Amino acid sequence: AQTVTQSQPEMSVQEAETVTLSCTYDTSENNYYLFWYKQPPSRQMILVIRQEAYKQQNATENRFSVNFQKAAKSFSLKISDSQLGDTAMYFCALSGSARQLTFGSGTQLTVLP
Amino acid sequence: KAGVTQTPRYLIKTRGQQVTLSCSPISGHRSVSWYQQTPGQGLQFLFEYFSETQRNKGNFPGRFSGRQFSNSRSEMNVSTLELGDSALYLCASSPGTSGRGPEQFFGPGTRLTVL
Repeated sequence: AQTVTQSQPEMSVQEAETVTLSCTYDTSENNYYLFWYKQPPSRQMILVIRQEAYKQQNATENRFSVNFQKAAKSFSLKISDSQLGDTAMYFCALSGSARQLTFGSGTQLTVLP
Repeated sequence: KAGVTQTPRYLIKTRGQQVTLSCSPISGHRSVSWYQQTPGQGLQFLFEYFSETQRNKGNFPGRFSGRQFSNSRSEMNVSTLELGDSALYLCASSPGTSGRGPEQFFGPGTRLTVL
């Protein structure tokens, strides 16, 4: 069975500052993918970034980057230069051979002006 | 490309009724997955369809069923509705084949309220 744990239910950050969201996971598979999705108040789930487990290099997408620690089964998301539009619920998710997504419980991020 | 569409966006039903939700994936995507989102249980996987066949199923009772058509559009049906079925139902599409990445792209969801 796969599990994903997000231990920070809520976080806040000042506009233009940097924030890091934490995620740990567990899986018995060697080949898997990790994702961060954001869900703003509109409830539309939006893919932020993905990481392939066999790649050691951390993924980066503009202001979003990850710190992938495979041995520790840790996958954190760093948001730089936070913007008001980043306010959303952020979900960490894992996809293995079954291709279904296993989600964490989410972290509500609020960007303060 | 147009994104994933779901209809209807909102539904109100009463206990014991049945409901059908529809999802149209991104053009060219052959896999459609369904998820249930509730405040108490979070996001849970219901099932995945690929090329008109159920490829994977989550831990939900048989009242929850689905199907996929030849154009990859999918429907999800819930029979004998219970109050606990009130949720946001999310549909996600992906190419579904190896070598093209497992990313899933979500629709806006259908908000089901059971009274």
